[in-house]
Parts: sequence; C-alpha cells; structure tokens
Amino acid sequence: QVQLVQSGSELKKPGASVKVSCKASGYTFTNYAINWVRQAPGQGLEWMGWINPTTGKPTYAQGFTGRFVFSLDTSVTTTYLQISSLKAEDTAIYYCARFDSSMYYTFDYWGQGTLLTVSS
Amino acid sequence: QSVLTQPPSVSGAPGQRVTISCTGSNSNFGAGYDVHWYQQLPGTAPKLLIYGNNNRPSGVPDRFSGSMSGTSGSLAISGLLAEDEATYYCQSYDSSLSTYVFGTGTKVTVL
Repeated sequence: QVQLVQSGSELKKPGASVKVSCKASGYTFTNYAINWVRQAPGQGLEWMGWINPTTGKPTYAQGFTGRFVFSLDTSVTTTYLQISSLKAEDTAIYYCARFDSSMYYTFDYWGQGTLLTVSS
Repeated sequence: QSVLTQPPSVSGAPGQRVTISCTGSNSNFGAGYDVHWYQQLPGTAPKLLIYGNNNRPSGVPDRFSGSMSGTSGSLAISGLLAEDEATYYCQSYDSSLSTYVFGTGTKVTVL
C-alpha cells in the first residue's frame, strides 16, 4: 500500500536550519510528484510547491522562495524539505503529499506531518 | 487569504444531512478546474475524500457526495455520524495565481 512516512518533530532556534524527510513506499517513486503543504497552528492548508521526481526540478509557490529548498534522493525514495534562517512564523506542521496527475490533479496520499517549532 | 471561500462551521444532528459550499471564481472553477475535497480529523493529516467534483476514492462511504455548479463546489454529508466531526477543505487550481489553492476550511460539528 502507498505510504508516505515523514521524519519526527523538530524544535529549532530562530536562525537555524531544518531538513524534513518524506519516505515513499508502495508505488513507483518516479511516477508521482511530491508536494509540500504547510499548516500553521490553528490555520488552514497552504500549498508550498512540488518537486519533479524524474528531473529533481523544484517549483515553489509564491512566498516559499529563497529560504525553502525541495530535494530528493531516488535511491531511497525520499523527498526533503529544507528551511533555512528559521523564523518564529515558520512554526507549523509540514505535510508531504503525493500528487496524482493521471486524470484529476489531486493530492491522493499524505504523510503524517512533521511539527516544526521555532522558538528561542 | 484563500481564493476559495468556505463557511467556517456547519453542524447537524446524527442522521441529518449537511452541505458545505466552496465559492471560487472565473480563474479556478469558472475556468474549468475541478474541485476536490479533503477531510482532516482532529490531530491527523488530511485525507482525500472527493476528487474530480464528484468521485469517491475506494473506501470512502457513499454518504459523502460532491457537486459543482458554475463557480461553486459543494460537499454533502448524509446520515451524519459522530465520526464525521472534522474540518473539511476544498481544493483546486487557480490560473491567475498559477498555484494550487485550498479553501478556508469548514469545521463540522455533530450535535
């Protein structure tokens, strides 16, 4: 069965960096893009962008350029989200989600989420 | 703020039917992009509930149904159960923003 398993919660100080992982299993990794979605405390879902699993080319939504980097390692079917120069407002749950573009453009499977807390 | 607007909350007694609206514009639904719906139970990740306006993934009860008309989508839950208490999000693509967008979210409470 399709599974996306994310790395555990992180507590970081402002100015530090963090790298969140999302390991995929149960499907052909290079056939589906992985997207990242942010959910701030008590807030809704916000699309951050995606990474092409074949070329590794990332696409970032507005507001997620500069400090945010998507990468992947196909040998271990894992996608990464790195955030640098962390700020308090980066505190959120970060989800990876598989993108199904075969007919309908949906996020059909989601990771369990990684809680990032940025606090001094 | 999101370009897809949902009511903040809806409620209903067990067994009743509730509907959730998702109002968009000519740059998303009006441009022909589909509406999809996700259910987020408390403390868990979102789960795909309806895709392509009115299709249910395997395992989703037929109590959940979706529709689309003009620039608005709608999710209906019939025979409401306590386990349906969750926040529901609509989602689509917006051609003006060139981004995937989520609705503001609707919390469903079972009375």
